Amino acid sequence: KQEVTQIPAALSVPEGENLVLNCSFTDSAIYNLQWFRQDPGKGLTSLLLIQSSQREQTSGRLNASLDKSSGRSTLYIAASQPGDSATYLCAVPGGTSYGKLTFGQGTILTVHP
Amino acid sequence: GAVVSQHPSRVICKSGTSVKIECRSLDFQATTMFWYRQFPKQSLMLMATSNEGSKATYEQGVEKDKFLINHASLTLSTLTVTSAHPEDSSFYICSARASGGTTDTQYFGPGTRLTVL
Repeated sequence: KQEVTQIPAALSVPEGENLVLNCSFTDSAIYNLQWFRQDPGKGLTSLLLIQSSQREQTSGRLNASLDKSSGRSTLYIAASQPGDSATYLCAVPGGTSYGKLTFGQGTILTVHP
Repeated sequence: GAVVSQHPSRVICKSGTSVKIECRSLDFQATTMFWYRQFPKQSLMLMATSNEGSKATYEQGVEKDKFLINHASLTLSTLTVTSAHPEDSSFYICSARASGGTTDTQYFGPGTRLTVL
C-alpha cells in the first residue's frame, strides 16, 4: 500500500526566505508525482507535475524535484511571499482505482511580512 | 484551463436528512470522477471512483449505501450522503479526469463543506 509522508507538518518563515518542502513515498513504482496548493476552505490547485522520467520541473519561483529510487520529492519555493501561505500537498498515483491519487498529509506554510 | 465546479459550496443539514452534492466538468467531458473527503487538518482520502454509465468503485471502509454516487453523464457526478449524521461533517472534494487524457490530467473542484447538526 502506497503511503505518502510530508515533512514538516507546518512551517512559518519571514517573507523573502527560500524554503524546501519534503515529500516521501513508500512505493517507488510511480509514473508521476504532483504538488498541489490548497487555500483554507478551498479546493486544490495543481502546481507542478513531474513524470517518472524527469528529475525536476520548474514554474516561476517553484521548483520540484523527484528521486524515484529513494522515494523522495522536494518542492523548493524561492523568495517566499505572504501570498504563498497555504497548505501544500504532494500526491502520487496508485491503488485499485485507475487514476487514484494518494495524498500526503500536507505542509501548512505561513509566510509573514 | 479545465474547470470543475461543485454545488453547493456549503450546506448545513439536520441529522437524518440526505444531502446531494454535484460535481460538474464545465468545459470538458469526464469519463471518470473521483470523490474525496477531507477532515480538518487532514489530507484528502479517496472515497470512491465514479465512472460514467457504470457503478462506482468504493474504497475500503466507505459505505456504498450511505454515500450514493451517480455518474449519469460525461459532465456530471453526484454524491448523496444518506441519513447524514454529525460524523459525516467534512469537506468533500471531487476531481475529474478528462476523457482521452492520461491519468495526469485530473482537475479538482472547489469543495463542499457539509455540516450535520
